[in-house]
Amino acid sequence: QVQLQESGPGLVKPSETLSLSCTVSGGSISDYYWSWIRQPPGMGLEYIGYIYHSGSTNYNPSLSSRVTISVDTSKNQFSLKLRSVSAADTAIYYCAYYGANDSFDIWGQGTMVTVSS
Amino acid sequence: QSALTQPASVSGSPGQSITISCTGSSSDVELYNLVSWYQQLPGKAPKVLIYGDTKRPSGVSNRFSASKSGKTASLTISGLQAEDEADYYCCSYAGVRTYVFGTGTKVTVL
Repeated sequence: QVQLQESGPGLVKPSETLSLSCTVSGGSISDYYWSWIRQPPGMGLEYIGYIYHSGSTNYNPSLSSRVTISVDTSKNQFSLKLRSVSAADTAIYYCAYYGANDSFDIWGQGTMVTVSS
Repeated sequence: QSALTQPASVSGSPGQSITISCTGSSSDVELYNLVSWYQQLPGKAPKVLIYGDTKRPSGVSNRFSASKSGKTASLTISGLQAEDEADYYCCSYAGVRTYVFGTGTKVTVL
């Protein structure tokens, strides 16, 4: 069974870059799409983007100017970079597997990132 | 892309059935057969309950069912149980390989 685990700093300063990684275990990253989704405290879910193992990406248009998602197949990891962050980017960040059912089938436990000086 | 509209809260007594609506537009919910539903227990990551508008993954209780008509998708929980108390989100493919989530519904078991 595929499992996902997010990792990265829990605190980022305003205007800096948020960087997170997601490690895939129990399966190969060379399979379907790998996504990032976030959830501000007490609020709903927001799709950030996905990457295919080949490296092709898709981003939420509202975030696309600040987002980069990359993949490292040798480490079975994919990563998120969000530039020029502000307090509005404070959220729980989830990585998720988007599979053949066309749904976000498997989720990581999530990691809280706070943007504050 | 605007979030899909869900009622903020729905409640019911144990054993009852409740329905959560999810209203989108002709560019997402109505256009694609790609609505999925997620259950988020307190402090936990979401879990998929429904995919492809009405399909249930293996392992998900058959107390959860879904339907769609036009721009509105619906999730029904039958035989409501205390363990169903959670937040529920719909999600739809919205074209150009992007996805939009619903505003979320808090289900309370009275």
